Amino acid sequence: GAVVSQHPSWVICKSGTSVKIECRSLDFQATTMFWYRQFPKQSLMLMATSNEGSKATYEQGVEKDKFLINHASLTLSTLTVTSAHPEDSSFYICSATTSGSRTEQYFGPGTRLTVT
Amino acid sequence: SQQGEEDPQALSIQEGENATMNCSYKTSINNLQWYRQNSGRGLVHLILIRSNEREKHSGRLRVTLDTSKKSSSLLITASRAADTASYFCATDAITGGYNKLIFGAGTRLAVHP
Repeated sequence: GAVVSQHPSWVICKSGTSVKIECRSLDFQATTMFWYRQFPKQSLMLMATSNEGSKATYEQGVEKDKFLINHASLTLSTLTVTSAHPEDSSFYICSATTSGSRTEQYFGPGTRLTVT
Repeated sequence: SQQGEEDPQALSIQEGENATMNCSYKTSINNLQWYRQNSGRGLVHLILIRSNEREKHSGRLRVTLDTSKKSSSLLITASRAADTASYFCATDAITGGYNKLIFGAGTRLAVHP
């Protein structure tokens, strides 16, 4: 149980385009989902927290107009990178929790974004 | 930054040896978790230790927590080549009344056959 999927697993896009990444909880309802960003050989940095049906809470320094997060249902959250640039190339990982607590987070497999 | 520090950054050992990784953090915590990440993959939860616990075991894993020093260690005994991965600690930190998971910098472990 507690499986989280991400789609796509990797994506290549051109500068200036937008790309959407989906995060799904497959066998549980996720009241809260988190989006992380990871650069090569570095740690995960929390970008934002999204609760179903409400606006996402962004971490300091994360541009909310650039990284659009939608948590429209209890099983799906999406991250849209708008007007992507090469510096947005990174590994994006989502996680989900049922309790609203940050303790029991189930992580997705990640999405590798490359912007050319 | 509120991110914790881990050392060593990289560790290379032979199969059968023990691997010890350390993690330090900066704020008060409710609990501390260790995760494993294979290259280019998501995170796998290994073990959680609560702030009132000092040691916890799970199979070949042993985790200690010293809240007075704000540090934790992960010991993998009798390592295997399949243990090769990056290992991260994460704290469920209380920061300004807002809880969030803060990851350490990670240790890249290479276990050679």
